[in-house]
Amino acid sequence: DIQMTQSPSTLSASVGDRVTITCRASQSISSWLAWYQQKPGKAPKLLIYKASSLESGVPSRFSGSGSGTEFTLTISSLQPDDFATYYCQQYNSYSSLTFGGGTKVEIK
Amino acid sequence: QVQLQESGPGLVKPSETLSLTCTVSGYSISSGYYWGWIRQPPGKGLEWIGSIYHSGSTYYNPSLKSRVTISVDTSKNQFSLKLSSVTAADTAVYYCARGAGDRTFDYWGQGTLVTVSS
Repeated sequence: DIQMTQSPSTLSASVGDRVTITCRASQSISSWLAWYQQKPGKAPKLLIYKASSLESGVPSRFSGSGSGTEFTLTISSLQPDDFATYYCQQYNSYSSLTFGGGTKVEIK
Repeated sequence: QVQLQESGPGLVKPSETLSLTCTVSGYSISSGYYWGWIRQPPGKGLEWIGSIYHSGSTYYNPSLKSRVTISVDTSKNQFSLKLSSVTAADTAVYYCARGAGDRTFDYWGQGTLVTVSS
């Protein structure tokens, strides 16, 4: 199975900060990586798919990059609505999907 | 607009079978894509349970494979999850979601909490 490791697990930041979250795969997944945002009591929301494609309706301050085993999610200027938990997910193999452990973005 | 809604018992006894249904509206399951179940124990991360393709092919998390069955009822535009021999470790919010190819899980249900307790 492909393991996904996210870092950091918790991040404290202020409104306006540039924030970067990293996700590493235990083996190459090409560009088959997605990023989700989850708020308490809500379902995850797709932000980025195929490593760098922005889902329709998602603000352009969110961007994704990477390929192979290392990926990043960047929020260019953190907004109050962005305080949430973020998950990466690999879908290199349709027979086995895995999520990262999550990164909680907290108010500094 | 695509919508998914989970339904089923919120309380299941240990050793019994957890059964949930996801009703899809705004899109025909038989038209394509794949359909998945994902769960989240209280305060923890997301875990993929399994997926079913419109062709009927199923894929399960290896750690749950021996206990999981996912099926689809195209006449009702629903797909279902059965998880047998549950324990307290299976207590979680269970989500259903649509897997849209390159866009993976693009639509999700609101989630339903299932508690395993006697």
